[in-house]
Amino acid sequence: AQKITQTQPGMFVQEKEAVTLDCTYDTSDQSYGLFWYKQPSSGEMIFLIYQGSYDEQNATEGRYSLNFQKARKSANLVISASQLGDSAMYFCAMREFSSNDYKLSFGAGTTVTVRA
Amino acid sequence: DGGITQSPKYLFRKEGQNVTLSCEQNLNHDAMYWYRQDPGQGLRLIYYSQIVNDFQKGDIAEGYSVSREKKESFPLTVTSAQKNPTAFYLCASSPRTGGTGEGGYTFGSGTRLTVV
Repeated sequence: AQKITQTQPGMFVQEKEAVTLDCTYDTSDQSYGLFWYKQPSSGEMIFLIYQGSYDEQNATEGRYSLNFQKARKSANLVISASQLGDSAMYFCAMREFSSNDYKLSFGAGTTVTVRA
Repeated sequence: DGGITQSPKYLFRKEGQNVTLSCEQNLNHDAMYWYRQDPGQGLRLIYYSQIVNDFQKGDIAEGYSVSREKKESFPLTVTSAQKNPTAFYLCASSPRTGGTGEGGYTFGSGTRLTVV
């Protein structure tokens, strides 16, 4: 079964506007972590933000914030004030802490294109 | 600076050849992983290792082999049994606890393998 679902294959956003990338997850664990990574066309994977399942506050890192809705099992990434350099593929990922293998499960990704 | 080094950046393989992709990390991370990424797709786990001299198959291990003789190194061999090896290969490592967001990955810059 798919553990991470990203339903938006591609999105366009105007420069300086905000964009929300959807991510839903499936787990029976009580303790888990959610991650977002950015992959520019160069291929490198850049860590953006982390949310633990027990964190009461939504995570924020600069222009990135994570809208964590535990009951709905969603962890949407919000990028505020989009910049041309934000054009990339974005991946949501999850680690279940009951597992001892430290694996991350990744979604299929969302391609974001920022327009000037 | 600590990090993960993948080499080569580009690799060309003839039909029927085995090739080995290198992955070295100096982060003192216990766990290492290999992922395959096809164009416009997400990451699929090939193999992972939590400790030296031990590794486990991921979701798409057929046609691949690995070794973990040293903590720092986790080379991936793409064998002739892998029928469609053209893809982008990413290596990652993580500590057992802590690190980038409670066990998130640090990624290498990737190797792009093409069968000619």
